[in-house]
Amino acid sequence: EIVLTQSPGTLSLSPGERATLSCRASQTIINSRLAWYQQKPGQAPSLLVYGESIRATGIPDRFSGSGSGTDFTLTISRLEPEDFAVYSCQQYGDSPWTFGQGTKVEIK
Amino acid sequence: QLQLQESGPGPVKPSETLSLTCTVSGGSVSSRTHYWGWIRQPPGGGLEWIASIYYSGITYYNPSLKSRVTISVDTSKNQFSLTLTSVTAADTAVYSCARHAGMGTMPFDYWGQGALVTVSS
Repeated sequence: EIVLTQSPGTLSLSPGERATLSCRASQTIINSRLAWYQQKPGQAPSLLVYGESIRATGIPDRFSGSGSGTDFTLTISRLEPEDFAVYSCQQYGDSPWTFGQGTKVEIK
Repeated sequence: QLQLQESGPGPVKPSETLSLTCTVSGGSVSSRTHYWGWIRQPPGGGLEWIASIYYSGITYYNPSLKSRVTISVDTSKNQFSLTLTSVTAADTAVYSCARHAGMGTMPFDYWGQGALVTVSS
């Protein structure tokens, strides 16, 4: 199965700063079938970005995804207070579908 | 607006069977364009895909759990369900149901809130 490694484990930033989150796969993810989710305590994950940097419905354009092959990045251009959360990547191109361990974006 | 709601037993004893149901509202499990899945997250851990099902009954399982898992769909009740046998403490997790469009082509776009299942004697 494809193992996804996210880094860093925790990112401490201030509102207005740029966040760059990494997701590295143990093997090539076909057709860039990688998704990013945001999860807040007590809430279900929310789909943010998937595929060739497609934003899910209602997701603001400060969220963007990039990458291909084994290296993918989620960028939040300017952190808003509501963006402090845990972010997980998921590959859905090869069964079994797998998730990364998550990156926590916390207020500095 | 599509909504998914998990329902389950709460605490489960080791070696017993865990059963969960996901009730779908605002949409139909009989959709020809969507699949329905279960994902779990242990305390402090990452997400793990368990299984998915199509309205016709075609199933897909994570090999790591396949020997203990059954996913099923009841189109008359607009529900799908998960059973996990021979549970241990390692199965303690928040279990979430979710929808995805396409098997291996699209991610999970709608999720339920999740149900905490604790395995303890």
